[in-house]
Amino acid sequence: DAGITQSPRYKITETGRQVTLMCHQTWSHSYMFWYRQDLGHGLRLIYYSAAADITDKGEVPDGYVVSRSKTENFPLTLESATRSQTSVYFCASSPGQHLSPEAFFGQGTRLTVV
Amino acid sequence: AQSVTQLDSQVPVFEEAPVELRCNYSSSVSVYLFWYVQYPNQGLQLLLKYLSGSTLVKGINGFEAEFNKSQTSFHLRKPSVHISDTAEYFCAGAGNMLTFGGGTRLMVKP
Repeated sequence: DAGITQSPRYKITETGRQVTLMCHQTWSHSYMFWYRQDLGHGLRLIYYSAAADITDKGEVPDGYVVSRSKTENFPLTLESATRSQTSVYFCASSPGQHLSPEAFFGQGTRLTVV
Repeated sequence: AQSVTQLDSQVPVFEEAPVELRCNYSSSVSVYLFWYVQYPNQGLQLLLKYLSGSTLVKGINGFEAEFNKSQTSFHLRKPSVHISDTAEYFCAGAGNMLTFGGGTRLMVKP
């Protein structure tokens, strides 16, 4: 299906474990983003990518790792999960600032770290 | 750097009443502004966007917003709300990356 998909939709993991959240888009958008949504904080940018093999930190990157070997995929890895990383994670993509700067969002992944 | 502030965390309103959700931005560069809506357990959907041109922007579901450069505002309005408009609304601005306000929960009461 066309669009942006995240997997899994729900995940429970234990403190200290590594977990990877997947994001896949079919539009060939240049930009991809990872946000976390927490009550009282709105959406905060974790990492973003302007193109394959180009990534940069956002507002709250600590404890996260990203990669972008292919344009369509942008996985987010929590190297050693902590309870403070319990959140809803949203992936988004965008054609880019000079083309069409709005972002298109996936349905989100609800991650619980116990 | 750009920042976006939503002045109200919650807005209760009765069905069929008008509503305004407030958003202020700060930026020293070109401004692109957006309003997104998030229904429960869903991702964000674009309601409307301002890129350039007319300062009054019309979006989906009867919403509109007005870009006011002198007041650095981009308030969202709807003349008559429905129960189905109950959701979280986010104002966002774009420079190199999209920056979101804290969100406003619109609660439409019968």
